[in-house]
Amino acid sequence: GAVVSQHPSWVICKSGTSVKIECRSLDFQATTMFWYRQFPKQSLMLMATSNEGSKATYEQGVEKDKFLINHASLTLSTLTVTSAHPEDSSFYICSAGPPNSNQPQHFGDGTRLSIL
Amino acid sequence: QKEVEQDPGPLSVPEGAIVSLNCTYSNSAFQYFMWYRQYSRKGPELLMYTYSSGNKEDGRFTAQVDKSSKYISLFIRDSQPSDSATYLCAMRSYNQGGKLIFGQGTELSVKP
Repeated sequence: GAVVSQHPSWVICKSGTSVKIECRSLDFQATTMFWYRQFPKQSLMLMATSNEGSKATYEQGVEKDKFLINHASLTLSTLTVTSAHPEDSSFYICSAGPPNSNQPQHFGDGTRLSIL
Repeated sequence: QKEVEQDPGPLSVPEGAIVSLNCTYSNSAFQYFMWYRQYSRKGPELLMYTYSSGNKEDGRFTAQVDKSSKYISLFIRDSQPSDSATYLCAMRSYNQGGKLIFGQGTELSVKP
């Protein structure tokens, strides 16, 4: 079964709305989670590393004020797309892996975000 | 030059064929190598996970890592239409804190 749960799976909303996406690790505590963005026919692009109890680390070119990340517990990270616009429409995916181990990352099922 | 190169395809094969998917990389610090399968509008699903060089087999899937050539492969035997998906290679070094570097993904279609 799934070890990483992501919700919602699909969101359609109007331009200017803020949208929150949740990522939960089900079988383990994750001190670090990762958020990716994927455009059609392209690979995953890492947006940020979510760190439990501290600020997220953003990749170059990713607006931290636009994509707010909160990792308040060891099993939950949230990504909030603030004041979303049509260009923010994309497929957002999170991943997590057991801490302090060499085990691989597992991915959520993704959230398809459509901004009208 | 990208850190990880993967032919995006598309690759089309008949049912039952052996499929070979490959990635090359430039960073010699990479030690952990993964293959993920991604169906349309779904998150990537872990297929194979290998540490350092060598082979690993799981059912119809075999992963190979050749660190001397900086080359990894995924073989799928007796391919099925349900194997039709995008296959992503990913890798990381020991001290990257879990941060993965992905290939572009190869789109595979297995025709009945």
